[in-house]
Amino acid sequence: AQSVTQLGSHVSVSEGALVLLRCNYSSSVPPYLFWYVQYPNQGLQLLLKYTTGATLVKGINGFEAEFKKSETSFHLTKPSAHMSDAAEYFCAVSEDDYKLSFGAGTTVTVRA
Amino acid sequence: DTGVSQDPRHKITKRGQNVTFRCDPISEHNRLYWYRQTLGQGPEFLTYFQNEAQLEKSRLLSDRFSAERPKGSFSTLEIQRTEQGDSAMYLCASSTRGQTDTQYFGPGTRLTVL
Repeated sequence: AQSVTQLGSHVSVSEGALVLLRCNYSSSVPPYLFWYVQYPNQGLQLLLKYTTGATLVKGINGFEAEFKKSETSFHLTKPSAHMSDAAEYFCAVSEDDYKLSFGAGTTVTVRA
Repeated sequence: DTGVSQDPRHKITKRGQNVTFRCDPISEHNRLYWYRQTLGQGPEFLTYFQNEAQLEKSRLLSDRFSAERPKGSFSTLEIQRTEQGDSAMYLCASSTRGQTDTQYFGPGTRLTVL
């Protein structure tokens, strides 16, 4: 069975600073990995996903993530935070053919 | 592409009552999923459909829960004899067939059981 651990339930960054959200997974097979963002009172929106191929994945809104098999990690970064990045972020893994297993989420606040 | 829609967006009910939620997926998507999200947690898988067939159910889905997708289009999730522990956000998602295909989520139905 797979599981996802997101380190840090809350992250606060200054506008213009680096955003780094950590995600580690446990998986017995090569996983498919996803990052979703959730704004208040909205559903989840896909930021990016890793399936196969290049381990550095670029997503929407300037986010990117790197799959590191040796570290079982899939950390999400953005070089320069914007006020609109304030939201909750979820890392997810898919091993089976159907379901996603999500981490507990990291809430990002951006300070002006 | 009008996105995944869910109705109602909010539902307040008294303990013991039955409730039903509806999900309309993206039209060309064969797969439809239900997840539950409680405060401070990530979504948890409940069940999914491939066309009209319900192929997998989580053990979180007690016998008070039932889901249908009668014509392979919209889906309903019914909770009978609601309990306070059922209070959560119920999310629906849809995708085309395949493990790597993106699941597109609806806005959710927030259920409050008093």
